[in-house]
Amino acid sequence: KAGVTQTPRYLIKTRGQQVTLSCSPISGHRSVSWYQQTPGQGLQFLFEYFSETQRNKGNFPGRFSGRQFSNSRSEMNVSTLELGDSALYLCASSGWTGEETQYFGPGTRLLVL
Amino acid sequence: QKEVEQNSGPLSVPEGAIASLNCTYSDRVSQSFFWYRQYSGKSPELIMSIYSNGDKEDGRFTAQLNKASQYVSLLIRDSQPSDSATYLCAVPNQGGKLIFGQGTELSVKP
Repeated sequence: KAGVTQTPRYLIKTRGQQVTLSCSPISGHRSVSWYQQTPGQGLQFLFEYFSETQRNKGNFPGRFSGRQFSNSRSEMNVSTLELGDSALYLCASSGWTGEETQYFGPGTRLLVL
Repeated sequence: QKEVEQNSGPLSVPEGAIASLNCTYSDRVSQSFFWYRQYSGKSPELIMSIYSNGDKEDGRFTAQLNKASQYVSLLIRDSQPSDSATYLCAVPNQGGKLIFGQGTELSVKP
């Protein structure tokens, strides 16, 4: 079974721009969670989508948003990029209920200049 | 808000030794616990999940859970240089959220 895929793998943007990241979960998984990882803050939860509905949201500003499609693929968007948004963005998928083990994709490394 | 605490390390062990990684958590009702391994520049990879008190073994890895004391540990036997990585302890919260510790950096010296 194919694992979690994320595109693009690397991105360089400038302050003020916006970016959209994509995540395709493991086939059959309905839950997608997004995390931001930085050296100083570690892994921080952004939000989780299950069956196209956002079930949970972390403590990030409204510039961070996401959505999930009917095929469980998910996108996250960051608008008005700031230097501090430079990070590794990870998505993780889990199964039917969303409460099972989470499997991570390779991540998208975003650099904001 | 649940909290998960780990010693950041670095923890250095010689090749062939046992590496012991510890994690404490604040929420007494937590039922499942996960250990992930993360190599530098890579994404976290699941090593072990444990749900019941006691030990769970998988190859060279043993997870130990003590719910009364609210700690979970990971033992790596016969440590290899390829085990050098950051080990993350995670506890699920509601709604598909994992709460991670800061991670323990392990270095296995040949």
